Amino acid sequence: GNSVTQMEGPVTLSEEAFLTINCTYTATGYPSLFWYVQYPGEGLQLLLKATKADDKGSNKGFEATYRKETTSFHLEKGSVQVSDSAVYFCALSDLCSGAGSYQLTFGKGTKLSVIP
Amino acid sequence: GAGVSQSPSNKVTEKGKDVELRCDPISGHTALYWYRQSLGQGLEFLIYFQGNSAPDKSGLPSDRFSAERTGGSVSTLTIQRTQQEDSAVYLCASSATAGEQYFGPGTRLTVT
Repeated sequence: GNSVTQMEGPVTLSEEAFLTINCTYTATGYPSLFWYVQYPGEGLQLLLKATKADDKGSNKGFEATYRKETTSFHLEKGSVQVSDSAVYFCALSDLCSGAGSYQLTFGKGTKLSVIP
Repeated sequence: GAGVSQSPSNKVTEKGKDVELRCDPISGHTALYWYRQSLGQGLEFLIYFQGNSAPDKSGLPSDRFSAERTGGSVSTLTIQRTQQEDSAVYLCASSATAGEQYFGPGTRLTVT
């Protein structure tokens, strides 16, 4: 079956530090890959996505590249801000795995805290 | 436009009682998903509806869980004879078929 493994948190960084959150996946087909973010007290929001190998998703200064050879989709940001404090979820969607469903398979989430 | 809405936002119930959770998807979205977010299990898929097709129920954890979607719009997730392990945040998402899933704010269910 499908699975997503992401680095355990919590992660605490100083403002302007470099961020990497590792994510690897296992899938039976050709999945699309996502990073979702959940800010304190808010719902899940799509941060970025990539639908095929070597695609780079980017948004709000965050980037992740779909690496089929290493089955990875690591999230990076060059300079984090206090406002980036949130829980980040790596996820995949693989049509082959469901009954026509694009259901998301999520990692456990990584809590990021950025301190001034 | 309006996003996905869910009600109630919080629900406290006694063990053994039935509960109904409601989801109003974004207008025009044909696909609707239910997920559960709990401390021990993380985010888990529960059920998927697409138009008038038979739902994909492969994620429902037991036969105490059921869901329906009336008129291709509003969906209700029902949990019968609730147990303490059912305590979680229940999330609904909708999408335009294969598009991005937009999530609602969730219903926090606490079973005492």
